[in-house]
Amino acid sequence: QSVLTQPPSVSAAPGQKVTISCSGISSNIGDNSLSWYQQLPGTAPKLLIYDNNKRPPGIPDRFSGSKSGTSATLGITGLQTGDEAEYYCGTWDISLSAVVFGGGTKLTVL
Amino acid sequence: QVQLQQWGAGLLKPSETLSLTCAVYGGAFSGYYWSWIRQSPGKGLEWIGEINQSGYTNYNPSLKNRITMSVDTSRHQFSLKVNSVTAADTAVYYCARGSNLPSSMRWFDPWGQGTLVTVSS
Repeated sequence: QSVLTQPPSVSAAPGQKVTISCSGISSNIGDNSLSWYQQLPGTAPKLLIYDNNKRPPGIPDRFSGSKSGTSATLGITGLQTGDEAEYYCGTWDISLSAVVFGGGTKLTVL
Repeated sequence: QVQLQQWGAGLLKPSETLSLTCAVYGGAFSGYYWSWIRQSPGKGLEWIGEINQSGYTNYNPSLKNRITMSVDTSRHQFSLKVNSVTAADTAVYYCARGSNLPSSMRWFDPWGQGTLVTVSS
């Protein structure tokens, strides 16, 4: 079981919006910056969101991040079949003295 | 554009030492925290640890006793060794560039292509 909690799967139709949640506690999400990663099948993870809500260059504004207290959310609008992937959240955990990740959420675009 | 390229042995026997190296191309080497992250088959991500250009290391406490990281600044390379591997160490191992900020603001971009390491007798 992962330190951060994500739903195992979410699904939505092309063009629709989906949100993926990431839940933790004060020692991780509550006090530290959160990042999100997209892992397409057979590839390495790719940074989507950093510092809770910032997008690296080249990431479309269809992807957004937010954080409130000990929870965070990744939002994806205008879903495309190419968005089908596993999505992970990650942050530092003060108590564990380690970076921790969520268990991943598989997005299916129906 | 920074690129990371990694290599190392992909098949090990129990009790052997895992050894991987990652080379950094096209960007600054100093100032960042160079990290290793692994992903067991069908499972999530596990942070192994990080090293900077000065050789400062920060290891995941759950793996600390078996891990050694090193850096070669002249070649822009960093390496990982894991001692006494078991089947539980079977995973895809990734190298990644960690943000040049305090641990509380740690994210990873870019990542290497990954190396599948299988431990089997």
